[in-house]
Amino acid sequence: EAGVVQSPRYKIIEKKQPVAFWCNPISGHNTLYWYLQNLGQGPELLIRYENEEAVDDSQLPKDRFSAERLKGVDSTLKIQPAELGDSAVYLCASSSRGLRAFFGQGTRLTVV
Amino acid sequence: ELKVEQNPLFLSMQEGKNYTIYCNYSTTSDRLYWYRQDPGKSLESLFVLLSNGAVKQEGRLMASLDTKARLSTLHITAAVHDLSATYFCAVSVGDMRFGAGTRLTVKP
Repeated sequence: EAGVVQSPRYKIIEKKQPVAFWCNPISGHNTLYWYLQNLGQGPELLIRYENEEAVDDSQLPKDRFSAERLKGVDSTLKIQPAELGDSAVYLCASSSRGLRAFFGQGTRLTVV
Repeated sequence: ELKVEQNPLFLSMQEGKNYTIYCNYSTTSDRLYWYRQDPGKSLESLFVLLSNGAVKQEGRLMASLDTKARLSTLHITAAVHDLSATYFCAVSVGDMRFGAGTRLTVKP
């Protein structure tokens, strides 16, 4: 069984530029999460999808962050424009019926 | 707002010793998860605890859940170097919210 796939693995951009991350969850998993993880800290939830519906995006900075999950499968997370403080690892995870969540390898974003 | 607190945040132990990591949370929940993260890697699921009194064991790790006390523990028995990692608990109230993690170092 293929795991959660994220791309790119690494991204370096200049501040004020846009950036997008892509996530392909495990087949059949209806729940998809995007987390942000800063060095030495626990993951912080950005948004949770149940199928194609965003059921909790209260932690998503909507002035610059956006997300979508087309057809309830793949998801993209976008930042526009990026700020220096957005440098972090962005993790995608998926689960079935709220049980064990599986994480992708993450995208390490560096904003310079 | 749900708060998840782990302690200790840092733990250095010798091989062969036992220790317990604690996870307290502030809101009623009957789903608690433990994850392991190695440096530079993603999170690996260790245990899912779904009911009061649940106990799961794998190898030298044993996790338990007391929903009335809003407390979960991760007990390490006879630690070995390979257990060195950061351990996170996470609580589900719809969303899955993580604690700050316990950075475990096992020394020979």
